[in-house]
Amino acid sequence: DGGITQSPKYLFRKEGQNVTLSCEQNLNHDAMYWYRQDPGQGLRLIYYSQIVNDFQKGDIAEGYSVSREKKESFPLTVTSAQKNPTAFYLCASASGDRAHQPQHFGDGTRLSIL
Amino acid sequence: AQKITQTQPGMFVQEKEAVTLDCTYDTSDPSYGLFWYKQPSSGEMIFLIYQGSYDQQNATEGRYSLNFQKARKSANLVISASQLGDSAMYFCAMRDDDYKLSFGAGTTVTVRA
Repeated sequence: DGGITQSPKYLFRKEGQNVTLSCEQNLNHDAMYWYRQDPGQGLRLIYYSQIVNDFQKGDIAEGYSVSREKKESFPLTVTSAQKNPTAFYLCASASGDRAHQPQHFGDGTRLSIL
Repeated sequence: AQKITQTQPGMFVQEKEAVTLDCTYDTSDPSYGLFWYKQPSSGEMIFLIYQGSYDQQNATEGRYSLNFQKARKSANLVISASQLGDSAMYFCAMRDDDYKLSFGAGTTVTVRA
């Protein structure tokens, strides 16, 4: 079945450590997105990519980095510069050429500091 | 500036009754799309319904309908015949450029038996 796979489901980070969250999609979507969700709040956009080898910063990009080397993959690295990384991270994808198409989401990764 | 406003942090509804979730938006772009998502306690985001700015009719999808009032910049979600499985957080979102979505803060719905 087509969908978005995020891994791992739970992730723990030590102080000063970089960690990478995986996001893979087999929906043949051009656009991919990373969101952060804090408890009881809405989603905030970290980074997005509309095409391979290109990506743009969202509203809260500081302390994060991404790459888009393949259409199917959009990994997010939470760097040591992100001082408050504990949150729920959601990856999404969408068909890039139709504005009415919804974004499809993965099941998320919960990141905590050890 | 806040693009999407959901003013109801939490709502209770009796099983089998209808509930309306408020959403107002702000954009100067004539072309935009409005989406509602459901987020159960497990965390996944489930797409419910879409309304385009040029659509003449209100969107409906099963028990979900969207009360779209363009002049008031309002896109309220109506859930009819509530079920216990409808208990979740509901988010209104808008896409107006670059295919990015702006999300509201969400409304928690609790369905009582």
